Amino acid sequence: GENVEQHPSTLSVQEGDSAVIKCTYSDSASNYFPWYKQELGKGPQLIIDIRSNVGEKKDQRIAVTLNKTAKHFSLHITETQPEDSAVYFCAASYSGNTPLVFGKGTRLSVIA
Amino acid sequence: DTEVTQTPKHLVMGMTNKKSLKCEQHMGHRAMYWYKQKAKKPPELMFVYSYEKLSINESVPSRFSPECPNSSLLNLHLHALQPEDSALYLCASSQGVLGTSGRRDNEQFFGPGTRLTVL
Repeated sequence: GENVEQHPSTLSVQEGDSAVIKCTYSDSASNYFPWYKQELGKGPQLIIDIRSNVGEKKDQRIAVTLNKTAKHFSLHITETQPEDSAVYFCAASYSGNTPLVFGKGTRLSVIA
Repeated sequence: DTEVTQTPKHLVMGMTNKKSLKCEQHMGHRAMYWYKQKAKKPPELMFVYSYEKLSINESVPSRFSPECPNSSLLNLHLHALQPEDSALYLCASSQGVLGTSGRRDNEQFFGPGTRLTVL
């Protein structure tokens, strides 16, 4: 089955700097890769996703890149703000045929 | 309406109690999910309902009993739980169902969760 590895487990950055979180997956059939942000006491919120027919997707300060050959994908947050502090989870699945498999999460702290 | 709601927000129960968690979505989604999340861990899938039928049960103990009364509602009935069952229980929904492929419909949207404490 699919296995998703996520690094780092914790990340501290200064406000205004960029943050990068990386995930690798094992199943080459996976083709849907969402990222979730979870704030304390709340459910995970889908912030961006990418499908295997594209290599990069951007939404304002957030971008995700995908390298299908190497089987890894990354979340990039630019101009970080204190409200970006949260736990971020990556996940992978095959286009609706399999449930999401989550990485173990990255706790991001943005220091003002 | 683009959200998944869950009630109650918090629940404390004894090991002999029977309680239920409720989840509701009005997005017309055809798949609904229950996840369990322990502190500092990712969500773990428990059950999946597709078109109101149970399609996945991830070997969950029988003290957890899911129910999908209609396409908008999902319940999780709890009975004789153990302290180690204390966790955040998350409901999610998606337009697409497992076993189909679609470009836009496997996005899963989560509710805020129910924080369950078993004494």
